[in-house]
Amino acid sequence: AQSVAQPEDQVNVAEGNPLTVKCTYSVSGNPYLFWYVQYPNRGLQFLLKYITGDNLVKGSYGFEAEFNKSQTSFHLKKPSALVSDSALYFCAVRDSPNSGYALNFGKGTSLLVTP
Amino acid sequence: GAVVSQHPSWVICKSGTSVKIECRSLDFQATTMFWYRQFPKQSLMLMATSNEGSKATYEQGVEKDKFLINHASLTLSTLTVTSAHPEDSSFYICSATGTSGSPDTQYFGPGTRLTVL
Repeated sequence: AQSVAQPEDQVNVAEGNPLTVKCTYSVSGNPYLFWYVQYPNRGLQFLLKYITGDNLVKGSYGFEAEFNKSQTSFHLKKPSALVSDSALYFCAVRDSPNSGYALNFGKGTSLLVTP
Repeated sequence: GAVVSQHPSWVICKSGTSVKIECRSLDFQATTMFWYRQFPKQSLMLMATSNEGSKATYEQGVEKDKFLINHASLTLSTLTVTSAHPEDSSFYICSATGTSGSPDTQYFGPGTRLTVL
């Protein structure tokens, strides 16, 4: 079964500093990895995905993630954090590139950016 | 593009009543819709997958007679919580994939908060 792990419940970072939200994956074949963000009482917003191609994936709102096959990681990064980035971040993996398959989500990491 | 809406955004009901939640793809045809449930400060748990015109596929442990899913058109899926009880109180989120946006990405609705008294 495909799964992802987010080892940190919460990440705190000062505004203007770089941020990293960690995600590791476990898959039996090729991983199809996603990052979503959730603001309070809202649904999930798509940030970025890795299906194939370049290991460095750029997404929405200045976020990027690096796919590292040797470390089975897909960490989310941003060079300079904003207070408005404070939210709940989910890493997810899918069994197939086919969008008809459901996503398996990590437990989520709460990001708090302080002024 | 690729906008998914849910209605209502929140609902409060009495124990024993049924509640219907709608999930609509506004600007694309959703061939597949997913229903998730999220408890406070927890991750999303997949409840069921529905393809237009077909019966939904439920995840293990999800009662199909309690959580009725209908995907009658390419733009609408409904989740009906029948005979709701307080333990059904949760945040229900749908997502859709289909003919718009990126074909390998799920687009999520804003969620519906159900509170059963």
